[in-house]
Amino acid sequence: DGGITQSPKYLFRKEGQNVTLSCEQNLNHDAMYWYRQDPGQGLRLIYYSQIVNDFQKGDIAEGYSVSREKKESFPLTVTSAQKNPTAFYLCASSLSSQGGTEAFFGQGTRLTVV
Amino acid sequence: AQSVTQPDIHITVSEGASLELRCNYSYGATPYLFWYVQSPGQGLQLLLKYFSGDTLVQGIKGFEAEFKRSQSSFNLRKPSVHWSDAAEYFCAVAARATSGTYKYIFGTGTRLKVLA
Repeated sequence: DGGITQSPKYLFRKEGQNVTLSCEQNLNHDAMYWYRQDPGQGLRLIYYSQIVNDFQKGDIAEGYSVSREKKESFPLTVTSAQKNPTAFYLCASSLSSQGGTEAFFGQGTRLTVV
Repeated sequence: AQSVTQPDIHITVSEGASLELRCNYSYGATPYLFWYVQSPGQGLQLLLKYFSGDTLVQGIKGFEAEFKRSQSSFNLRKPSVHWSDAAEYFCAVAARATSGTYKYIFGTGTRLKVLA
């Protein structure tokens, strides 16, 4: 089945540690996105990528980094510089970054800092 | 600035009653508009989308939405709500960034509670 796979579903991190969230898609989509979700704040865009080896900062990129070395993969690293990383993280992809297509979402990763 | 506003944070309706969830957007060009639904701890599922053409669009699970350009609105409706519709609903717009890439901007969501 085609879709977006995020792993792990739950992740615990100690303060001061970097952690990487995985996002893989087999939909052959060009564009991929990372969102952060906090209660009452909707989805906020962290980073997005329209093509391999290219990505742009979203609205809340500070303390995060990404890479896009393969079309199907778009991992997100939450660094120790992110002040409040506990949140639900959603990865999405769309066929094209040129509009006119919908975004498909993974099942999310819940990150908790302990 | 590009934005999406969902003015209702929570809505409670009785099972079988009609439903309307409000969405207003701010975007200078012709918008691509979406409604998504999210169950607790899950990803988002697309309910329906508007790109062009008929301003009344039909979606899955009996939902429909009407695009009104003059009001910058894209309200979601359902004639008769089922208990399984209890979830959080997000309105979104695909907006063109300065890089030329489209990105999806979401509202803050409306949480629907259904009374038996």
